[in-house]
Amino acid sequence: DGGITQSPKYLFRKEGQNVTLSCEQNLNHDAMYWYRQDPGQGLRLIYYSQIVNDFQKGDIAEGYSVSREKKESFPLTVTSAQKNPTAFYLCASRAPWAGESYEQFFGPGTRLTVL
Amino acid sequence: SQELEQSPQSLIVQEGKNLTINCTSSKTLYGLYWYKQKYGEGLIFLMMLQKGGEEKSHEKITAKLDEKKQQSSLHITASQPSHAGIYLCGAANYGGSQGNLIFGKGTKLSVKP
Repeated sequence: DGGITQSPKYLFRKEGQNVTLSCEQNLNHDAMYWYRQDPGQGLRLIYYSQIVNDFQKGDIAEGYSVSREKKESFPLTVTSAQKNPTAFYLCASRAPWAGESYEQFFGPGTRLTVL
Repeated sequence: SQELEQSPQSLIVQEGKNLTINCTSSKTLYGLYWYKQKYGEGLIFLMMLQKGGEEKSHEKITAKLDEKKQQSSLHITASQPSHAGIYLCGAANYGGSQGNLIFGKGTKLSVKP
């Protein structure tokens, strides 16, 4: 079955550590996205990539980094520079532009907690 | 920049009751997406609306986009416990880069059996 996987589901980090969240998709989608969700808040865009080897900052990119070496993979690194990293992180992908739809497909999420 | 405001923020209804969730945009909508999220899980796509006055239904959920394309509503008929979750509206962010969606803060729905 095609879809988006994220791992791990739960992640605990000590202050000062960098951690990497995995996102893999087998939908053959070009565009991929990382969002952060905090309680009572909507989704905020961290980074996005519309094609391999290219990515752009979203609204809250500070303290995060990404890479896009393969079409299927878009890992997110939460660095020690991120002051408040405890949140729920969602990865999404979107099919190539084929008309009018910007529908995004979401992974199950990773909950990151800083100890 | 475009903003989406959802109301109410939370809603508790008795099973079997109807309910409506609203999503209002600060700018004209060129595509409005409704998603549902169960706590601690990813988002599930429900419906997309594009044309003014458009209405779509799936099972007991109906979504509408007003003629001016600045407001959408999501209506659930005869609610069931399976409808519980967080409902988010998203819109194509034409003020940003192509393909990005911006989201409202969500409406948390609880259904009491």
